[in-house]
Amino acid sequence: AQSVTQLDSQVPVFEEAPVELRCNYSSSVSVYLFWYVQYPNQGLQLLLKYLSGSTLVKGINGFEAEFNKSQTSFHLRKPSVHISDTAEYFCAVSDPGYGGATNKLIFGTGTLLAVQP
Amino acid sequence: NAGVMQNPRHLVRRRGQEARLRCSPMKGHSHVYWYRQLPEEGLKFMVYLQKENIIDESGMPKERFSAEFPKEGPSILRIQQVVRGDSAAYFCASSPGPGYTGELFFGEGSRLTVL
Repeated sequence: AQSVTQLDSQVPVFEEAPVELRCNYSSSVSVYLFWYVQYPNQGLQLLLKYLSGSTLVKGINGFEAEFNKSQTSFHLRKPSVHISDTAEYFCAVSDPGYGGATNKLIFGTGTLLAVQP
Repeated sequence: NAGVMQNPRHLVRRRGQEARLRCSPMKGHSHVYWYRQLPEEGLKFMVYLQKENIIDESGMPKERFSAEFPKEGPSILRIQQVVRGDSAAYFCASSPGPGYTGELFFGEGSRLTVL
């Protein structure tokens, strides 16, 4: 079964500093990978996704992620964070069960990005 | 708003009561997924449904929980005889039909509190 590991439960960072949120997945088949953001008391919003093609994926709000198949990683980065980036970030991998006819996602436990002034 | 609609946004129940959570998928979407988010935890898959059909319920607790997605109307997640451990945020997501490969679209969630 597929799984996702987010090693850091919380990442404190100062405003305008760079940040990297780590995500590793386990899978023996091709996967689709996603990063979602959740602001307090809200639903999940897609930041970016990797389906195929270029391993460097750019998303909304200045975030990007790089798919590394050999290291089974999909780390999220931003060169300069803002206070407004404070939120919970979830990495997810698709489960290609049912012959690829499902978009069921398996989520990591999340990383709280805490941006300090 | 053509997004995924969930209601109620907040629900309070006493132990032993029933909770019903509703989800209307995005227009044109025929697949619905329910996830549960417990405090300090990530999202756990519960069930995946198409119209009138449960495809995958591998994440559903064996007792007290059920889900449906009728031909007409919203998807319903039903929790009977709630206990304090059922307190959580329940998220619904939707996607288009077979052959689609991409993200799930999430609602704002329903937050259940069991007293």
